[in-house]
Amino acid sequence: EAGVAQSPRYKIIEKRQSVAFWCNPISGHATLYWYQQILGQGPKLLIQFQNNGVVDDSQLPKDRFSAERLKGVDSTLKIQPAKLEDSAVYLCASSFLESQYFGPGTRLLVL
Amino acid sequence: AQSVTQLDSHVSVSEGTPVLLRCNYSSSYSPSLFWYVQHPNKGLQLLLKYTSAATLVKGINGFEAEFKKSETSFHLTKPSAHMSDAAEYFCALYNFNKFYFGSGTKLNVKP
Repeated sequence: EAGVAQSPRYKIIEKRQSVAFWCNPISGHATLYWYQQILGQGPKLLIQFQNNGVVDDSQLPKDRFSAERLKGVDSTLKIQPAKLEDSAVYLCASSFLESQYFGPGTRLLVL
Repeated sequence: AQSVTQLDSHVSVSEGTPVLLRCNYSSSYSPSLFWYVQHPNKGLQLLLKYTSAATLVKGINGFEAEFKKSETSFHLTKPSAHMSDAAEYFCALYNFNKFYFGSGTKLNVKP
């Protein structure tokens, strides 16, 4: 069974630039999550989708972050414009019931 | 309210000695509980999960955890540490279709 795929793995941008991350969940998993993990901290949920609907985006900074999950399969997370404090690992996960599986993450560095 | 507290941010053990990583939780209802491991530059990998069956849960790589409702704890143990166990470990709680993560414990294994 293929795992959660994410791309790119690494990205370096300057502040005020935009960036997009892509995630393809495990086939058949209806729930998809985007987490932000700052160095030395646990994952913080940014947004949770159930199929193509948003379940929770209460911690998504909506003035600069956006996410979509068209057709209820893969998803894109965008940051525009990026700030220095957005430097982090962005993890995508998908779940079936309470079993959650993570992708390898995208490491973002904002200079 | 749902929350997870990992009592130690860093634990250091010698190779071949036991490992104990502590996790306490707070939940209004019976939760599902998880331990994940994260090696450097990798995503989170599920070690084991408790979902209201047996209170002693066995996971991969010789790890196990015991659910103690009276103590609201879900500590992770391993009888004998291996160098490859050096990583960061996250305890997580699942309830009402949401995951809550602890802040992580970094395990250092000395030769």
